[in-house]
Amino acid sequence: EAGVAQSPRYKIIEKRQSVAFWCNPISGHATLYWYQQILGQGPKLLIQFQNNGVVDDSQLPKDRFSAERLKGVDSTLKIQPAKLEDSAVYLCASSLVNTGELFFGEGSRLTVL
Amino acid sequence: AQSVSQHNHHVILSEAASLELGCNYSYGGTVNLFWYVQYPGQHLQLLLKYFSGDPLVKGIKGFEAEFIKSKFSFNLRKPSVQWSDTAEYFCAVTMFSGGYNKLIFGAGTRLAVHP
Repeated sequence: EAGVAQSPRYKIIEKRQSVAFWCNPISGHATLYWYQQILGQGPKLLIQFQNNGVVDDSQLPKDRFSAERLKGVDSTLKIQPAKLEDSAVYLCASSLVNTGELFFGEGSRLTVL
Repeated sequence: AQSVSQHNHHVILSEAASLELGCNYSYGGTVNLFWYVQYPGQHLQLLLKYFSGDPLVKGIKGFEAEFIKSKFSFNLRKPSVQWSDTAEYFCAVTMFSGGYNKLIFGAGTRLAVHP
């Protein structure tokens, strides 16, 4: 069974530039999550989708971050404009049911200079 | 606020030593409890989980964890660690809010096992 796919694995940009991350969850998984993991911290939930609807985006900085999951399958997370403090690993995860048992991708490491 | 606390940020052990990593959460409702592990260069993966029943749960690679409801704790243990256990360990708890489960992570414990 294929795992959660993410791209790009690494991205370096300058502040005020924009960046987009892509995620393809495990086939059949209805719930998709984007987490932000800053060095030395645990993953922080940015947004959670159930199919193509948002169930939680309370910690998403909506002035600069946006995410979509148009067809209920893959998803993109965009940051525009980026700030230095956005440097982190962006983790995508999916789950079959909403129990907390998540399957994670490799992550996308963002460095903002 | 709902939160998960891990007591140790860095732990260094020699092979064959016993391991116990502490985890406490602040939430008064029903929870599902997890330990996730991230080996060097790999993605986060599930180590063990507790939904209900026997509060002592066993996971992969000889790990176990005990849920003590009265202490809001879910500590991870292993009687004898190996070099290959070197990794970062995250405690995570689901907290039911707004009609769905929200998974909240602790800050993680980085474990280094020396041969």
